[in-house]
Formats: sequence, structure tokens, C-alpha cells
Amino acid sequence: AQKVTQAQTEISVVEKEDVTLDCVYETRDTTYYLFWYKQPPSGELVFLIRRNSFDEQNEISGRYSWNFQKSTSSFNFTITASQVVDSAVYFCALSEVSGAGSYQLTFGKGTKLSVIP
Amino acid sequence: DTAVSQTPKYLVTQMGNDKSIKCEQNLGHDTMYWYKQDSKKFLKIMFSYNNKELIINETVPNRFSPKSPDKAHLNLHINSLELGDSAVYFCASSQGDRVNEQYFGPGTRLTVT
Repeated sequence: AQKVTQAQTEISVVEKEDVTLDCVYETRDTTYYLFWYKQPPSGELVFLIRRNSFDEQNEISGRYSWNFQKSTSSFNFTITASQVVDSAVYFCALSEVSGAGSYQLTFGKGTKLSVIP
Repeated sequence: DTAVSQTPKYLVTQMGNDKSIKCEQNLGHDTMYWYKQDSKKFLKIMFSYNNKELIINETVPNRFSPKSPDKAHLNLHINSLELGDSAVYFCASSQGDRVNEQYFGPGTRLTVT
């Protein structure tokens, strides 16, 4: 079973529109971490945010905000007033204890966001 | 200063060859990883090393072998390359025995012809 689901494969918005990227996860752990990474066209992976399972406070960083809801196992990412530079593939990831007792990061399949000028 | 570096950035080789990709991090992290990103952008962990010990070994072919000469380096050796090995390989590092945010290298695009 897929542990991190990003149902939106591709999204296109016009510049200055708001856009929300969905992430739904599945885990049996009570302690886990959720992440968002950005992969721009240049290819590198850029860390955006980490949230632990005990902290359900929403977070805002500039035009970026994250909505973590344990009740629905979701960790959605909203970009306000999108810009062309936001065009990238965005990955949601889940960190949980693996069988070996260490933490393992599992990525969703990514959402490609295209912001049209 | 580059935090996580990989060499080479591009690698084109023929089937059956053996190749290596090098990774170095200057963040002082104690855990390093290798990921494979396929043509559909799917990222999957291959290996991780913590304090020079392999702690995760996903079901990758044994033609792939990670080697860590020290805490700052985790190299990836691939023997008998196959067409299906063509992908982008990312090295990453993090601090601690719990997975904090991982910092990724720029990736190595491997093309097997």
C-alpha cells in the first residue's frame, strides 16, 4: 500500500493564484515526521519543512503555509500568490520507524506545479 | 561552500561496465543516503549509512554497493550496469539517529546505453 499519496500529478495555475498541493499519508506509528521538498527544473531537491506527529499547528513561511491534520492523515501545502519561480515538482515525504529500528523516509510520487505568467 | 556534493554530475556508459559515483558532505552529519529517481520522478531510498554502518538496505540488486571510507563520504559502486539502471541518483545526509531533514546533493544522471 502506498504510504504517501499525492493525488495531483500535475497542476497548472496562473501567476498570483493560490494553489494547494495535497498529501495524504498512512502509518501505524504514533511518532513520525512529515516533510515537503521542492525539486525545481534544475533538478536539486530543496528541503521546505518538517513537522512531527505531535505538533498539529499550522505553519506559515512567507507565501508558503502548511496544514497538518492527523484526523484525516493529511499534510497539505498552500502557496499564496504563486510566482513563476514556484514552478517545480513538490514531494511530500513520511519518516517512520523501519523494520531495522531506524527511520526511513518514504516519498510520494510528487506533484508538478506549473505557474503560468 | 557546497553542503553535499556528488561527482560526476553526468555519467554515460555502456551496458556491462562498472562505475562509481562519489558523494561528500561537509555538514558534519552522521547519516548518509543514496536515492534513485526514475524517469517518472519517483524517489526511492537505496541505502543509508550511520556512523559507517549500513542501517537500511532496500531490495536493490547486489550489483549496487555503497562504500563509506569515513563519515563524510558515501560512494556508490555499480557493477555490470544494465539499461534499467539509467536514472538520477541522489546522495543525501542528515544528523542524528532519527531522520531529521535530509540535505540532498545535486544528483548524478546515469545513462546506460
